[in-house]
Amino acid sequence: DIVLTQTPLSSRVTLGQPASISCRSSRSLLHSNGDTYLSWLHQRPGQPPRLLIYMVSHRFSGVPDRFSGSGAETEFTLTISRVQAEDVGVYYCMQATRSPYTFGQGTTLEIK
Amino acid sequence: QVQLVESGGGVVQPGRSLRLSCEASGFNFSHYGMHWVRQAPGKGLEWVAVIWYDRSNKYYLDSVKGRFTISRDNSKSTLDLEMKDLRVEDTAVYYCVRDGAWWFDHWGQGTPVSVSS
Repeated sequence: DIVLTQTPLSSRVTLGQPASISCRSSRSLLHSNGDTYLSWLHQRPGQPPRLLIYMVSHRFSGVPDRFSGSGAETEFTLTISRVQAEDVGVYYCMQATRSPYTFGQGTTLEIK
Repeated sequence: QVQLVESGGGVVQPGRSLRLSCEASGFNFSHYGMHWVRQAPGKGLEWVAVIWYDRSNKYYLDSVKGRFTISRDNSKSTLDLEMKDLRVEDTAVYYCVRDGAWWFDHWGQGTPVSVSS
């Protein structure tokens, strides 16, 4: 199974400052069809996860443009350009290139 | 808008069975693959099973193979998860999730399952 390792596991950021989360895969996430199925999700306390980014860098409908994704093969990054109060919670990377689909262990974002 | 509403969760003893259901609305259900994803208390996310839009393929997490069965009724826009021989480690919130083409674009609120003697 593909293992996704996120760093850091927790982060405290000042409002308005940038934040970034790394996701490293144990295998390349490049599919044989040429696409890379790495997504980022955000989960607020007591809520289900919601999709932020799909296919590495595509922002999902309604997601603010302060969220961006980058990377390739085995190294990926989620960046929040200016953290807002509503961004607190846990962020997960997820791969759907190879079954079984797997998630990173999660990164908790808090406000200083 | 897309809505996914799970039901059927509860408290069961180890070895017993439970059937979860998910009612979908706001989109053409028969065009989308569907998943179940679970989250144990205080833990991360774990994919459980997927069924393709036309029921042609089903795949499972190794630890639930032979015990869980995913199914769907496209005429009723419903997704089910039949869970047998439940174990303590199956305790989790179970989410019904739409597949937007290899990404999980819509999630239900989840239904809790607790396996305990």
